[in-house]
Amino acid sequence: GENVEQHPSTLSVQEGDSAVIKCTYSDSASNYFPWYKQELGKGPQLIIDIRSNVGEKKDQRIAVTLNKTAKHFSLHITETQPEDSAVYFCAASRRGGSYIPTFGRGTSLIVHP
Amino acid sequence: NAGVTQTPKFQVLKTGQSMTLQCAQDMNHEYMSWYRQDPGMGLRLIHYSVGAGITDQGEVPNGYNVSRSTTEDFPLRLLSAAPSQTSVYFCASSYRAGVSDGYTFGSGTRLTVV
Repeated sequence: GENVEQHPSTLSVQEGDSAVIKCTYSDSASNYFPWYKQELGKGPQLIIDIRSNVGEKKDQRIAVTLNKTAKHFSLHITETQPEDSAVYFCAASRRGGSYIPTFGRGTSLIVHP
Repeated sequence: NAGVTQTPKFQVLKTGQSMTLQCAQDMNHEYMSWYRQDPGMGLRLIHYSVGAGITDQGEVPNGYNVSRSTTEDFPLRLLSAAPSQTSVYFCASSYRAGVSDGYTFGSGTRLTVV
């Protein structure tokens, strides 16, 4: 089955700095890679996703990159703000069929004012 | 549009008691799943369903039971609660796994077993 490794487990940055969270996956058939943000006391919320036919996707201050050859993908947050503080999860799955996504263990991002 | 609704939000059980965690979605999603979240362990899949009448086990199914009689509802039953089941439980749904917009999660049920 699929195995998703996520690093680091904790990331502490100063407001305005950039933050990068990295994930690797094992199943070369995976082709859909979403990222979720979980604020304290809430359920995870999808913030951005990328499909295997795309190398990079941006949405304002967040971006995701995918390297299919190396089987890794990353979340980039620029100009971090205190409200970016949360736990971030990556996941990998296949589009279609009954394949259920596999999640990484999460990264706790702390943005210091 | 309520999305995914979980009830209750908090629950305390005594060891050996049984209970049902409710999950309902109003988006006509085919896929529904139950996860538990424990510190340092991320989201672990308990059971999932790919449509009404179809369920399957995930990574940590022992001690839990599910059924899917309608598209909207996917209850999770704890048969005989144990302290190891103290956790935060999330229900999630998607149109189809990995096809459209990923999962929509509920707000969670925090369960404590004493």
